[in-house]
Amino acid sequence: QVQLQQWGAGLLKASETLSLTCAVYGGSFSAFTWNWIRQPPGEGLEWIGDIHHGGVTNFNPSLKSRVTMSVDTSKNQFSLRLNSVTAADTAVYYCARGGVFGGSYGELDYWGQGSLVTVSS
Amino acid sequence: QSALTQPPSASGSPGQSVTISCTGTSSDVGGYNFVSWFQQHPGKAPKLMVYDVSKRPSGVPARFSGSKSGNTASLTISGLQAEDEADYYCSSYTGNNNLIFGGGTKLTVL
Repeated sequence: QVQLQQWGAGLLKASETLSLTCAVYGGSFSAFTWNWIRQPPGEGLEWIGDIHHGGVTNFNPSLKSRVTMSVDTSKNQFSLRLNSVTAADTAVYYCARGGVFGGSYGELDYWGQGSLVTVSS
Repeated sequence: QSALTQPPSASGSPGQSVTISCTGTSSDVGGYNFVSWFQQHPGKAPKLMVYDVSKRPSGVPARFSGSKSGNTASLTISGLQAEDEADYYCSSYTGNNNLIFGGGTKLTVL
């Protein structure tokens, strides 16, 4: 059974850096892509980007200049950093497992519990 | 790039069928067979219902089916049940290793 557990700071001030980590329990860590998605309160989903265990990353063009993702294969964890946050970055952030690397895209089959990040101005 | 277009709301009575559309362009929905559908209940993480246009993950009832024609993908829920009331989101590969979501559809079971 695959489980994703995420954590990170929930309250930030404008211009600070958002930092979240997601731990993967069960299943293969190396075979899949690992994604971050966010959802502003009352709004829809927005894909932030993904990372493979080898460190290959892909980002949403609208966030690319502010996003960094990393992976710790020794712990089966991956992380998101979003710098220079503003109130517009207030959202529930989810980590999710994607399809097999190089295969299907959008097959987000396991999700973390979500982390509400609030940015105050 | 703009979000995929979904109707804001849909509804149906128990036992009926309902279809939710997801319209994109030839650069996303129409160009690739990587359309997924997610169900989200309030306060919960999204759940994958359909991927690769029409494939269902293990455990998802056969009442949920996906299809695509041109630049529009569709999710059909047959034999509507009360627990199907939720928000539904589509997603599509856009090329260049990017993913885009639809704006979401709120499904009400009357």
